[in-house]
Amino acid sequence: DIQMTQSPSTLSASVGDRVTITCRASQSISSWLAWYQQKKGKAPKLLIYDASSLESGVPSRFSGSGSGTEFTLTISSLQPDDFATYYCQQYNSYPVTFGQGTKVEIK
Amino acid sequence: QVQLEESGGGVVQPGRSLRLSCAASGFTFSSYGMHWVRQAPGKGLEWVAVIWYDGSNKYYADSVKGRFTISRDNSKNTLYLQMNSLRAEDTAVYYCARDAVVYATSHNWFDPWGQGTLVTVSS
Repeated sequence: DIQMTQSPSTLSASVGDRVTITCRASQSISSWLAWYQQKKGKAPKLLIYDASSLESGVPSRFSGSGSGTEFTLTISSLQPDDFATYYCQQYNSYPVTFGQGTKVEIK
Repeated sequence: QVQLEESGGGVVQPGRSLRLSCAASGFTFSSYGMHWVRQAPGKGLEWVAVIWYDGSNKYYADSVKGRFTISRDNSKNTLYLQMNSLRAEDTAVYYCARDAVVYATSHNWFDPWGQGTLVTVSS
């Protein structure tokens, strides 16, 4: 199985900060990676697919990059609505696997 | 609009069975692969199973293989998860999620997701 490791596990930031979350795969997954945002008690919401494609309706302050084994999710200017937990997901092969999550907290 | 609504969760004793359902609307259900994903309380996301759009293939996480069965009824626009021999570690919110692209058999992200149904395995 492909292991997905996110860092950091928790991130404290202020409104307006630039935030970067890293996701590493245990083997190459090409660009078969998605990012999701989850708020407490809610279902995950798709932000990015194919490593860098922005889902329709998602604010442009979100961006994704990377390929192979190293990926990043960047929020260019953190907004109050962005405080949530973020997960990466590889869909290169079954079983599909997720990172452990990164919680973005208010500093 | 595209909607997924899970049902069937509840409290069940260890070793017993439960069947979850996911009712789909707003899209051509028979054209999309469907997944179950679960989330234990306070934990991350764990993929459980997938069924292809036509039901021809199914894959499972090792943690549920041999105990859970995914199925679908395209005439009723409904996805199912039959869960047998339940264990305490199966306690979680169970989400159904759709493949984002039609007729996909691989390399597909999930969108949208349902709101989830809570399964609690406890004596």
